[in-house]
Amino acid sequence: EAGVAQSPRYKIIEKRQSVAFWCNPISGHATLYWYQQILGQGPKLLIQFQNNGVVDDSQLPKDRFSAERLKGVDSTLKIQPAKLEDSAVYLCASSLVRAGTGELFFGEGSRLTVL
Amino acid sequence: EDKVVQSPLSLVVHEGDTVTLNCSYEVTNFRSLLWYKQEKKAPTFLFMLTSSGIEKKSGRLSSILDKKELFSILNITATQTGDSAVYLCAVVGTSYGKLTFGQGTILTVHP
Repeated sequence: EAGVAQSPRYKIIEKRQSVAFWCNPISGHATLYWYQQILGQGPKLLIQFQNNGVVDDSQLPKDRFSAERLKGVDSTLKIQPAKLEDSAVYLCASSLVRAGTGELFFGEGSRLTVL
Repeated sequence: EDKVVQSPLSLVVHEGDTVTLNCSYEVTNFRSLLWYKQEKKAPTFLFMLTSSGIEKKSGRLSSILDKKELFSILNITATQTGDSAVYLCAVVGTSYGKLTFGQGTILTVHP
């Protein structure tokens, strides 16, 4: 079974530039999550989709971050304009059902460095 | 706001030692607690706990949940260098299944 795919694996940009990350979840998984993991910290939920609807984006900095999940499959996370504090690993995860009733499967992450 | 605190933040042991990692939480409408192991890449699932007092076990790893005292422990016996990783605890506390993570415990096992 293919896992959660993410790209790019690494990205270096300068502050005020924009960046986009892509995620392809495990086939059939209805729930998709984007987490931000800053070095030395646990992952922090940015946004959660159930199919193509948003169920939680309370911690997404909406002035600069946006995410979409077209057709309830792939998802993209965009940052525009980037700030130094956005340097982190962006993890995408998916689950067959809502978390709490089943495990999350994580992709390998996209490491962003903002200079 | 849901909160998860792990301790210790880091731990250094020698191969063969037994370690206990702690996770305490404050959450509204608790549904489950999950443990993940994170090496250099993505977190990988270890256990999901929903009921108090029932131990989950997988090889040298085991975990138990105490819903009255709001904590969980993860035990690793006869540690090996391959156990070196960050261990993450997370709780689910809302009907939509939002997972809140702790900051992790960095475990280093020396040969």
